[in-house]
Formats: sequence, structure tokens, C-alpha cells
Amino acid sequence: GQNIDQPTEMTATEGAIVQINCTYQTSGFNGLFWYQQHAGEAPTFLSYNVLDGLEEKGRFSSFLSRSKGYSYLLLKELQMKDSASYLCAVLDSNYQLIWGAGTKLIIKP
Amino acid sequence: EAQVTQNPRYLITVTGKKLTVTCSQNMNHEYMSWYRQDPGLGLRQIYYSMNVEVTDKGDVPEGYKVSRKEKRNFPLILESPSPNQTSLYFCASRSGQTDTGELFFGEGSRLTVL
Repeated sequence: GQNIDQPTEMTATEGAIVQINCTYQTSGFNGLFWYQQHAGEAPTFLSYNVLDGLEEKGRFSSFLSRSKGYSYLLLKELQMKDSASYLCAVLDSNYQLIWGAGTKLIIKP
Repeated sequence: EAQVTQNPRYLITVTGKKLTVTCSQNMNHEYMSWYRQDPGLGLRQIYYSMNVEVTDKGDVPEGYKVSRKEKRNFPLILESPSPNQTSLYFCASRSGQTDTGELFFGEGSRLTVL
């Protein structure tokens, strides 16, 4: 079966750095997405990786290793507004998105 | 402004009373999808549509119907709602089935079935 694993919850301190990991086993691979979702709101797009390596976008970076079935989202200079759930999703061989359950990130002052 | 619009945003109903959640997008997207989101389970796909008059079941289609008569609209129909359909529902769209661009989400519809 297809499976995406990410930690259920993480806690970090304002101003610090946090890394949210995602491992996947899917039928084929056409890229990996990270979305941010604040409580009760719609997910919003953060990043897309299809090739191995690191993609940097401001305070957020996303890394992919296809051979290891592994990705991480790195958030730097954490702000209170970064408190949210972070969703990892893989586009499989049929171009269907397979979603992880999400990681709830709690930022403490 | 490019957007996906869902209605209603909040609804409380009773078991067995048919309801429809509308979804409309103004981006001329071919691909549209419905998800439900429950605590600890993440997003689960109910139905999707690759284009007008083409719909397919997702992972949890039981108890739901959809239609795609026009490109912009993709309503979700609950013919006889039950309490286990209490959930947060999202409609989403992207350009095409094989498009690797981002998925655009509506604001969500929180449904409670008593």
C-alpha cells in the first residue's frame, strides 16, 4: 500500500530552527509537496520538489531524497505565526496526491 | 482574484436530510477534487474529476455523489447524511490531471450531522 509518515506533533521555540521529516512509500513518484494549514483553514502551498536536493524559499526550505523516500521541511527564524500543521503529500504514478496526516507545530515564546 | 469558492461554510443538519455543498473555481482548471479532513486522519479524497462529465471515486466515496456538468462547478451531494459524515470538507482544483502545479483549496465547509 501507499504510505506517508510524518511526526504527529513537534514543539519549537520562537526564533529557532525546526526540521519536519516526511518518509514515503508510494506507487511511483511525480513530486512531493509541502502545505501549511492553520487550524480550521484551508491548506496553502509551500513547496514542490521533484528532483533530489534542497529548495530554499525565504525562511522555508524543502529537501528531497528520492532514493531514500525522504523529505524534510526546514523552518528558520521561527515566528509565532508559524504555529500550524504541515502536510506532506506525494504525487503518485497516477498523478493522485497521497497525503500524510500532518505535523502539528507548536511555537513557544 | 483566482479562487475556489465553497458553500455553505458551516452547516448543521439531521440524519437523512439531503444536502449539497457547492464548489466553484474561476481558474479554468480541468481537475477538481473533494476531500474530507478528520482529526488524526489527514486529508482523504472522496471523489475527483479530470474534466467535464468525467468523475472517479477516491478513497472514501461511500455515501457521497458528485457531478461535473460544467468545468467551473463540482458539487458534492450527500443523499442521506449520517453522523459519520460529520467532518471538514475541502474542494480543490488544479490545472490538469497530470499537472504538477499546486492544488488550490476552497475555504472549507464544516458539516455536522445530528
